[in-house]
This record gives sequence, C-alpha cells and structure tokens, in this order.
Amino acid sequence: DVKVTQSSRYLVKRTGEKVFLECVQDMDHENMFWYRQDPGLGLRLIYFSYDVKMKEKGDIPEGYSVSREKKERFSLILESASTNQTSMYLCASSPDRGPYTEAFFGQGTRLTVV
Amino acid sequence: TQLLEQSPQFLSIQEGENLTVYCNSSSVFSSLQWYRQEPGEGPVLLVTVVTGGEVKKLKRLTFQFGDARKDSSLHITAAQPGDTGLYLCAPPWGTGNQFYFGTGTSLTVIP
Repeated sequence: DVKVTQSSRYLVKRTGEKVFLECVQDMDHENMFWYRQDPGLGLRLIYFSYDVKMKEKGDIPEGYSVSREKKERFSLILESASTNQTSMYLCASSPDRGPYTEAFFGQGTRLTVV
Repeated sequence: TQLLEQSPQFLSIQEGENLTVYCNSSSVFSSLQWYRQEPGEGPVLLVTVVTGGEVKKLKRLTFQFGDARKDSSLHITAAQPGDTGLYLCAPPWGTGNQFYFGTGTSLTVIP
C-alpha cells in the first residue's frame, strides 16, 4: 500500500515561530503536494514539487516555503507563523500526470498558531 | 486555477434517504475523480470517470460524468452513517499543471 506519512497529527505553535511540517512517501512518486484545508474553502494548493529540488507555487504560497532535498520527503515551512495560518495541512503524492493519476494523502496536520 | 464548484456545501440527511451532490465547472476535463474524506483522515479516491456521459457504480454510489465533460454528479442510494464525510471532486492535473480540488460537499448521515 502507498503510504504518505505526515510527522505530526497536531501541532501548537506561537506567533512568529518558524514551523516545519514534514511529509514522507514510500512509493517513489515524482509529484508531491501541500494543501491547506479550511471549512467551506475545500483544499487549496500551497506548493507542489515534480522532482527533487523543483517546486511550483500553487494558489496560496504567501507566507510559506517548501523544500524537497530527497525524492521521498517534502517539507512545508512557515517562516514566521501567524494566527491566520491556523488550519489543517494535507500532504499528497502522485506517481505521474495521466487522467487516471491518483493523489494519495497523508492523515493531515492540524496546526494551531496562538 | 480552475474553479470547481460543488453543491450543496453541506447536507444532513436521515439514514435510508437518497441524495445527489454536484461538481460543476466551466472547463472541459479529460477525466474527473471523486474522493471521500472521513473525519480525521486524508481524502481517499472513490472513482475516476473519463468518458462524457459515463456512469460508474460503486455499491450504493453512482457517479456520472457530464456529456460535455464539464460537470459530474454523485448519487447515493439509501445513505448510511458510514457515508458521512467530505466529498471532493478533482480533475487529475486539470488543464493546467497542478492538481486541484473542488470546494467539497460535507455530508452527515444521521442514524
């Protein structure tokens, strides 16, 4: 089974802290994604990566950065956490770009910034 | 960003009722997927539809892709509490270079 693992289920951080959310996939997938999920807004794409050290901005990249030094690991970084970044963060991976391509998700990290 | 609107946004029904939720866009897609996200979990793929007019059944769930491949519907027959969750539609890679999801329909089935 494909497994996408996010390092924390729940995280509480203070305003201004630098926050790292880690995601690891075990299926050698090329593509990895970070989404933010808020009620009524669905999943909004923050960043995605299609290869090691490659990244592209999604719809809401402001206040976030990402790192992909190894194929299996994709990190989301909040440079200076703010209360409006309190949200559920979901990591996903997918193997290719065909019409049947499936996105495999981690269980999510619920981040609270106080 | 391709706008994918799902309706209704929230739906609360009694066990045994039927329901239909919708996914609409102004864009044409080569395929459309439906995912279900249960509370506390990540979304999981239910089905992929590819051909305009295509109908796929998954037990009590019936998925239809619009003839023009711009919209899709999900019909649930005799809903059960286990159907509770957030239903999301997504065109894999869409017509752009990214993997987008619709706004979602949150379904609650009351026993």
